[in-house]
Amino acid sequence: NAGVMQNPRHLVRRRGQEARLRCSPMKGHSHVYWYRQLPEEGLKFMVYLQKENIIDESGMPKERFSAEFPKEGPSILRIQQVVRGDSAAYFCASSPPAERYEQYFGPGTRLTVT
Amino acid sequence: GIQVEQSPPDLILQEGANSTLRCNFSDSVNNLQWFHQNPWGQLINLFYIPSGTKQNGRLSATTVATERYSLLYISSSQTTDSGVYFCAVAGFNTDKLIFGTGTRLQVFP
Repeated sequence: NAGVMQNPRHLVRRRGQEARLRCSPMKGHSHVYWYRQLPEEGLKFMVYLQKENIIDESGMPKERFSAEFPKEGPSILRIQQVVRGDSAAYFCASSPPAERYEQYFGPGTRLTVT
Repeated sequence: GIQVEQSPPDLILQEGANSTLRCNFSDSVNNLQWFHQNPWGQLINLFYIPSGTKQNGRLSATTVATERYSLLYISSSQTTDSGVYFCAVAGFNTDKLIFGTGTRLQVFP
């Protein structure tokens, strides 16, 4: 059973470009979470999604950031008009279709904005 | 929201030594997980332990939910144990994990 997959693993964008980060949950998992880790800091929750629904986006910046988890395909975290402060590691986690279960984390995408 | 504090912030050990890492949290939780972030940045699940005790090889963990703390024990440390250990919790009626600031462990040969 493959784990949570994220791609790309490393992404370099220039200021003003768009970044798209993809997350494929573990097989059978229908809950997806995105977390961000700024340099030398812990992880901070961004958004929690189920298929076609955003459940909790209380950690998402108000502007430029969006997330989706379509009926088919991976979850996408989109950052528009990136700035240097968006440079961070973005981790995706998934859990089974029941609440309050263990979250399994992917390897992360390291975004560098030049 | 729930506050999560980890101690010590830094720990330096010689190979073979034992250690105890602590995680205190400020409110009742429905989920508690321990992670190891290795020097390459990968986050590895160690334990899902909202209460009770679990063991996996040289690692074990205990959560005393009524007293709001969890302990991670590492025995016979190896250099591959180096990295940052995070505790993360989720309160009732929420699924988002709140992470502590971590304990940075360095194990020297």
